[in-house]
Amino acid sequence: GAGVSQSPRYKVAKRGQDVALRCDPISGHVSLFWYQQALGQGPEFLTYFQNEAQLDKSGLPSDRFFAERPEGSVSTLKIQRTQQEDSAVYLCASSSRTGKGAFFGQGTRLTVV
Amino acid sequence: GNSVTQMEGPVTLSEEAFLTINCTYTATGYPSLFWYVQYPGEGLQLLLKATKADDKGSNKGFEATYRKETTSFHLEKGSVQVSDSAVYFCALSEGAQKLVFGQGTRLTINP
Repeated sequence: GAGVSQSPRYKVAKRGQDVALRCDPISGHVSLFWYQQALGQGPEFLTYFQNEAQLDKSGLPSDRFFAERPEGSVSTLKIQRTQQEDSAVYLCASSSRTGKGAFFGQGTRLTVV
Repeated sequence: GNSVTQMEGPVTLSEEAFLTINCTYTATGYPSLFWYVQYPGEGLQLLLKATKADDKGSNKGFEATYRKETTSFHLEKGSVQVSDSAVYFCALSEGAQKLVFGQGTRLTINP
């Protein structure tokens, strides 16, 4: 597609529910990133894929967070047993080459009630 | 670890004023530096970048110069417009391409 597409745009979950957030990167981009943006803050890195390989997951805040990209294209970020502190905007980005900057989706706003 | 510190906002200016948003960084190596912009209701967009010392990135009238000696990448524009109202993020990447962002500066331009 023309840009990075994320769905859903908005998600309200009850505390304890599992959620799955989807990212469709720009076609042909080998690198894919997930970031978490709390209200009024800059995005914080969660995890990074190169094709289907998850090369860095150092930013995932707990073992309730899991990401996958099984065919090297679409990625899913899953959060199990959601808690209120998980409320944030989750951003996906993709890029084609090192140091050239990443293209971001519009994000999924997750609200845990 | 790597970090980015931005000028605290919000910043409010009149149209045609000169803009500076300060950004300094801490990094162990030689990062690439970026400014991203987030317009209301939209996703983050790359505004400009610089990949090595003394490089100047520029786009849409905005400029920033990679200053290794002062570890800075300040964003400037000579004459701002109402349409420049947005949140601006300074960021760096090193090695594995992940971005480290500053906290963002909200800019409002009044007509």
